[in-house]
This record gives sequence, structure tokens and C-alpha cells, in this order.
Amino acid sequence: DVKVTQSSRYLVKRTGEKVFLECVQDMDHENMFWYRQDPGLGLRLIYFSYDVKMKEKGDIPEGYSVSREKKERFSLILESASTNQTSMYLCASAGTSVYGYTFGSGTRLTVV
Amino acid sequence: KNQVEQSPQSLIILEGKNCTLQCNYTVSPFSNLRWYKQDTGRGPVSLTIMTFSENTKSNGRYTATLDADTKQSSLHITASQLSDSASYICVVTNDNYGQNFVFGPGTRLSVLP
Repeated sequence: DVKVTQSSRYLVKRTGEKVFLECVQDMDHENMFWYRQDPGLGLRLIYFSYDVKMKEKGDIPEGYSVSREKKERFSLILESASTNQTSMYLCASAGTSVYGYTFGSGTRLTVV
Repeated sequence: KNQVEQSPQSLIILEGKNCTLQCNYTVSPFSNLRWYKQDTGRGPVSLTIMTFSENTKSNGRYTATLDADTKQSSLHITASQLSDSASYICVVTNDNYGQNFVFGPGTRLSVLP
């Protein structure tokens, strides 16, 4: 089974801090994604990457950046965390099979 | 506009009962429809995936149906268990690789003893 691992389940950061959320997948997938999930809004795509060093903006990229230096790792960066970035963050990866799209367990980020 | 709607928004049932969740979509072109189960505080886990040519697929006590003509899907849960309490998310896409996924808002199911 594909495993998508997010480094932290819960994270509390202060306003203005630089925050790194890490995601690692073990199936050599080309595509990786970062979403945030908020009550009433569902999942919204922040950024995705279809190859090493490649990235594309999703629906809500403002306030975020990403890094994909290695195929298995996709990092989401909050340059200066703000309280409106308090959310559940989900990473996903996908390969060439329709069955290969898999989510990580999520990181609940609270910015105080 | 590509959209996925789900109903009801929330549902409470007693353990052992059956229930059906609905998903309507306007995504076009259509490639496949997925149902995910998401436990509180966890990531979504895939239950079923259906392509255009499939109109029903089962995964244990979960059975999904798809009517591509009316652009509707349902997820039927049989003999519900307490562990079925979760959010159920319908996702429709016109590609296989996640770049064009359209997520529904989810249905929150609570199964009570």
C-alpha cells in the first residue's frame, strides 16, 4: 500500500513564525499535493507538484510556498504564519494508476 | 462551473441501521468518481472508485452507485457500526492524477448506540 507520511499530527505556532510542513511518500509517485481543509469549505488545493523542482499553484496559494527537491518529499512553507492559516493540512500523492491517489493523515496547525 | 454537492450535510442514525448518502456533480468531462471516508482529525481514506462505465461498486458494507446520465452517485452503508461515524466525501475528476479533483463538502455521519 502507498504510504504518505506527514511529519506532525498537531502543531502550534506563533504569528509571524516560519512554518514547515513535511510530506513524504514511498511509492515513487510523480504528483504530490497540499490541501487545507476548513469546516464548511471542504478541501481546497494550495499547491501541487508533478515532478521534482516543479510546482503549480492551486486554488488558494496566497501566503504559502512549496519545495520539492526530491521526488519523495513535498514541503509546504508558511513564510510568516497568520491566525487565518489555522487549519487542517492534508498532503496527497498520485502516480499513473487511477487507484494510486492517497492522502496522508493530516497536520492540524494552530497559529496563535 | 465544476461543482460537487452532497446531501445531507449531516446525518444521525442508530447502530445497525442502513443509510444512503447522495452526491450530485456538474464536473465535465467526467473521468471517475471517488468516495472517501474521513475520521475526525485524520486524512481521507478511499472507499470506492468508479469510472464512467461502472454503475455500482462495493467495498464490504459500503456500496456506491453511479448514474452518469443524471450525474448522481450514492453511497449506501449497510448494518451501520459505531466506527462508521465519520465524514464521507465525494470527489469527481476528469483526470486520474489529482490535478483536477473537485471535492464535495462532505456528509457528517454519526452512528449512535
